[in-house]
Amino acid sequence: EPEVTQTPSHQVTQMGQEVILRCVPISNHLYFYWYRQILGQKVEFLVSFYNNEISEKSEIFDDQFSVERPDGSNFTLKIRSTKLEDSAMYFCASSEGGWGNEKLFFGSGTQLSVL
Amino acid sequence: AQKVTQAQTEISVVEKEDVTLDCVYETRDTTYYLFWYKQPPSGELVFLIRRNSFDEQNEISGRYSWNFQKSTSSFNFTITASQVVDSAVYFCALIRTSGTYKYIFGTGTRLKVLA
Repeated sequence: EPEVTQTPSHQVTQMGQEVILRCVPISNHLYFYWYRQILGQKVEFLVSFYNNEISEKSEIFDDQFSVERPDGSNFTLKIRSTKLEDSAMYFCASSEGGWGNEKLFFGSGTQLSVL
Repeated sequence: AQKVTQAQTEISVVEKEDVTLDCVYETRDTTYYLFWYKQPPSGELVFLIRRNSFDEQNEISGRYSWNFQKSTSSFNFTITASQVVDSAVYFCALIRTSGTYKYIFGTGTRLKVLA
């Protein structure tokens, strides 16, 4: 079965540094998402992306966050100036369609640790 | 507001026992989708089932079954004859069918199946 691929699997950074988390969604999917999971807590929506623009974002997704699809395959999440509370597992997901009538395919996640 | 509650934070069973994971949701929408995802120790989120709000038929897939009851706003998940490989965190999720791409996840139930 096709997969969503995320790199790196682990990222350690110093507070205030920029990080870029990378994702390769499933090739024929049109909708892309970032979610995060703080250790032991629920999975939280960050942002959805369609047709090269953000279609929806949560209150967590502030000005420090940005997403980009720089080419036809990669989908990235950038955190400009990391804070301790950004430490979490970040999941990329994709789906064929939107509006909630499609299952999400998730990657294995990037564990971000901000020191 | 939409909300998903998984009151059981952790359940331990002995192999071959049946186990039911509870999910209660809140929404004012008449049309919505409910999902279950599995998060094994490797960390990725794996789709298990999607159910739309108009389909209250119970579903069985091998050892897995789902009981959707709109009257009680519940979408419970039962594993029959549990196996050690079923050990994982299980998340219930909800989304409207239009106007949003944001899936609302519950806090998850950690299932430990002991040999």
